Amino acid sequence: EAGVTQFPSHSVIEKGQTVTLRCDPISGHDNLYWYRRVMGKEIKFLLHFVKESKQDESGMPNNRFLAERTGGTYSTLKVQPAELEDSGVYFCASSQENLPSYEQYFGPGTRLTVT
Amino acid sequence: AQSVTQLDSHVSVSEGTPVLLRCNYSSSYSPSLFWYVQHPNKGLQLLLKYTSAATLVKGINGFEAEFKKSETSFHLTKPSAHMSDAAEYFCVVVRWTDKLIFGTGTRLQVFP
Repeated sequence: EAGVTQFPSHSVIEKGQTVTLRCDPISGHDNLYWYRRVMGKEIKFLLHFVKESKQDESGMPNNRFLAERTGGTYSTLKVQPAELEDSGVYFCASSQENLPSYEQYFGPGTRLTVT
Repeated sequence: AQSVTQLDSHVSVSEGTPVLLRCNYSSSYSPSLFWYVQHPNKGLQLLLKYTSAATLVKGINGFEAEFKKSETSFHLTKPSAHMSDAAEYFCVVVRWTDKLIFGTGTRLQVFP
């Protein structure tokens, strides 16, 4: 069974540019999550999809971030325009159910560097 | 509000010696607690989880953790470290269907 995949693995962009991160969850997982780790800080929740619907987007830092999950399969996270403080590692995870007894499976992350 | 505190940002041990990674939690309700591990260039992998069943939880690769409500702790232990255990470890707390709350991570180094 394929795990959660993320693309790209690394991205270096200039301040003001746009970047789109992609996450492919495990097949059949309705729940998809985005997290971010800014350097030196803890991993923080960004948002949670159930199928194509945003269940919880309380962690999204501001309106420069836009997440979509059209068709309830893969998800994209767009940052536009990117700022220096957006640098960090963006993780995606998926699970069958949004319950503690169901493991969230994480992807390897996308390392975003904004210069 | 919930939170976790990982008391050590770095831990160094010799191969074959015990590992102790400390985690204290704060939660207004009965929490679920997890330990995740991240090896270089890999995704986070669940090591073990406590979800209100047995307080001593056994995980993969010989790791275990004990939920101690009186001490609000969930320390991760392993009797004998292996070189392959070198990684970053995250303690995580969650209440029911709420979001995962991560600690700041502990980087484990294992020396030969």
